[in-house]
Amino acid sequence: QKEVEQDPGPLSVPEGAIVSLNCTYSNSAFQYFMWYRQYSRKGPELLMYTYSSGNKEDGRFTAQVDKSSKYISLFIRDSQPSDSATYLCAMGVSGGYNKLIFGAGTRLAVHP
Amino acid sequence: EAQVTQNPRYLITVTGKKLTVTCSQNMNHEYMSWYRQDPGLGLRQIYYSMNVEVTDKGDVPEGYKVSRKEKRNFPLILESPSPNQTSLYFCASSLSFDGRRGGGNNSPLHFGNGTRLTVT
Repeated sequence: QKEVEQDPGPLSVPEGAIVSLNCTYSNSAFQYFMWYRQYSRKGPELLMYTYSSGNKEDGRFTAQVDKSSKYISLFIRDSQPSDSATYLCAMGVSGGYNKLIFGAGTRLAVHP
Repeated sequence: EAQVTQNPRYLITVTGKKLTVTCSQNMNHEYMSWYRQDPGLGLRQIYYSMNVEVTDKGDVPEGYKVSRKEKRNFPLILESPSPNQTSLYFCASSLSFDGRRGGGNNSPLHFGNGTRLTVT
């Protein structure tokens, strides 16, 4: 079993839809959680970072962490075609980025 | 412009022919790392470096070498490439290696735009 599981998609939604992207994990030692967005032919870029359970909002994006269920989510409101990308979850324990574990990524397509 | 630059972007080579993928960052970052990205497996760390002359193995180091002689450069060396090293490679850097303390928005990982390597 992988430490981090993420549905690869692809997920196809109409413009304006609410998108929910999810990851589950098995290691209860993970302390911080991130979402990266990766456009085609580009490197991943950090989208959201959370350190504790609960919700964190940034514009149209909300990151949710449920440590008791070992489940994290990224919600995108009013999705736009420019949101079409692969979304990677990542999580780490104390001690550094050398312990950062990435999910396989979910490919999202938002069509006009 | 702050960036991580990888070269080349695309590389096709044959089994056994030594190659080097260069990585350079202009942000004075201490931490640098190499990842490979394969379908269904996500990003897996090959090697990382916490500072000049300090390198260590990641999760999939076999068949790779790195060096960190200067702060800005972190080349990835494949001494004898094999077809199972066909992959998309990313270099990344960060101000701090501690994703928990200085991480996230304060010290995110900055990625290059990748090198697609094909070994025949």
